[in-house]
Amino acid sequence: GAGVSQTPSNKVTEKGKYVELRCDPISGHTALYWYRQSLGQGPEFLIYFQGTGAADDSGLPNDRFFAVRPEGSVSTLKIQRTERGDSAVYLCASSAGPNNEQFFGPGTRLTVL
Amino acid sequence: DQQVKQNSPSLSVQEGRISILNCDYTNSMFDYFLWYKKYPAEGPTFLISISSIKDKNEDGRFTVFLNKSAKHLSLHIVPSQPGDSAVYFCAASALQGAQKLVFGQGTRLTINP
Repeated sequence: GAGVSQTPSNKVTEKGKYVELRCDPISGHTALYWYRQSLGQGPEFLIYFQGTGAADDSGLPNDRFFAVRPEGSVSTLKIQRTERGDSAVYLCASSAGPNNEQFFGPGTRLTVL
Repeated sequence: DQQVKQNSPSLSVQEGRISILNCDYTNSMFDYFLWYKKYPAEGPTFLISISSIKDKNEDGRFTVFLNKSAKHLSLHIVPSQPGDSAVYFCAASALQGAQKLVFGQGTRLTINP
């Protein structure tokens, strides 16, 4: 279909709650990436999927963060016991392969109160 | 440690003139560099890239220059147009980790009519 889509566009939650952020990549793209952009900063790499498997999760800040891509298409980023410092825009990108151009979605703005 | 740095948070240029955005990096393993453009409430969109085997790449009004010895790259936009007003991010990757982009903090470019 169109480009990368992310839902919700905005999410407000309370400290300590669990949240799920969804990413629908471009159809046929095998590679999927999650980044986090804090205010005044550039996107920061979190995790990269090739197909269903997480090929590189070195950017996940701690074990409260987890991501899945069970069927090699849609991905969900899960954050447990949210903290105020998790507030950021979470960006998803996809590409046709690991060395191809990454196309970004509009992001989900997460606010933890 | 900030491996990719954009030291100018903002830049204002007159319409029709040249815009020059700068980026420095510290990791000598980086060998592929990209520029992304970002409008508010949208994800970054790819603009232009350069491999470390080149020192210049041109695409229409956009030219990227790479100085490997100085670990510096720049994006030139000429002539600048009002639609170029956006935040520009420099990003870098290493061949073996091409999927993991490291971004600078961004430079907000404003083109004045």
